[in-house]
Amino acid sequence: TQLLEQSPQFLSIQEGENLTVYCNSSSVFSSLQWYRQEPGEGPVLLVTVVTGGEVKKLKRLTFQFGDARKDSSLHITAAQPGDTGLYLCAGRTSGTYKYIFGTGTRLKVLA
Amino acid sequence: NAGVTQTPKFRILKIGQSMTLQCAQDMNHNYMYWYRQDPGMGLKLIYYSVGAGITDKGEVPNGYNVSRSTTEDFPLRLELAAPSQTSVYFCASSYFTGTGYSYEQYFGPGTRLTVT
Repeated sequence: TQLLEQSPQFLSIQEGENLTVYCNSSSVFSSLQWYRQEPGEGPVLLVTVVTGGEVKKLKRLTFQFGDARKDSSLHITAAQPGDTGLYLCAGRTSGTYKYIFGTGTRLKVLA
Repeated sequence: NAGVTQTPKFRILKIGQSMTLQCAQDMNHNYMYWYRQDPGMGLKLIYYSVGAGITDKGEVPNGYNVSRSTTEDFPLRLELAAPSQTSVYFCASSYFTGTGYSYEQYFGPGTRLTVT
């Protein structure tokens, strides 16, 4: 069974602080995605990374795919209350059409 | 363009009852998925489909059935509902981007199901 472990599970920080969320697995992924989910809604795709070592930036969010394509990180600079939500990583292994989701990181940014 | 729609939004079932969760997409995506999300957790894949007439099991298929007779619709059937099936159910559709062989998933708003 493939597992994607996210850490930390919960994070509560003050507005303006930086944070990093990690997504780790023993499996190699062809592509890895990050989603944000707000209460009562479905997840919304933030980014897809496909190449080992790849770094993508989305405004204050920086996503990195590990060199071995087994792990990924999400770094948020100067967090804002609007960043509050559940962050999910999801990986797809070669030869499949399905994504396995991580355990989730619940972020709360206090004003 | 409504994206992915799900009905109903909420439902309460008694143990042993059956129901069908509806999912439809208007983006002409080949790939569709059903997930369940327990409180504070990530998503678990129940079933998925790569096209009309083709379905396959995910991580947690027991107690569920699916069919895919058209590209647009992917209903999920619960037979003999059990309390363990209390969850939020999300339907998603995706297309092959061609870039790095990835699939961009779009999710519906979810169906909150309680079995008592």
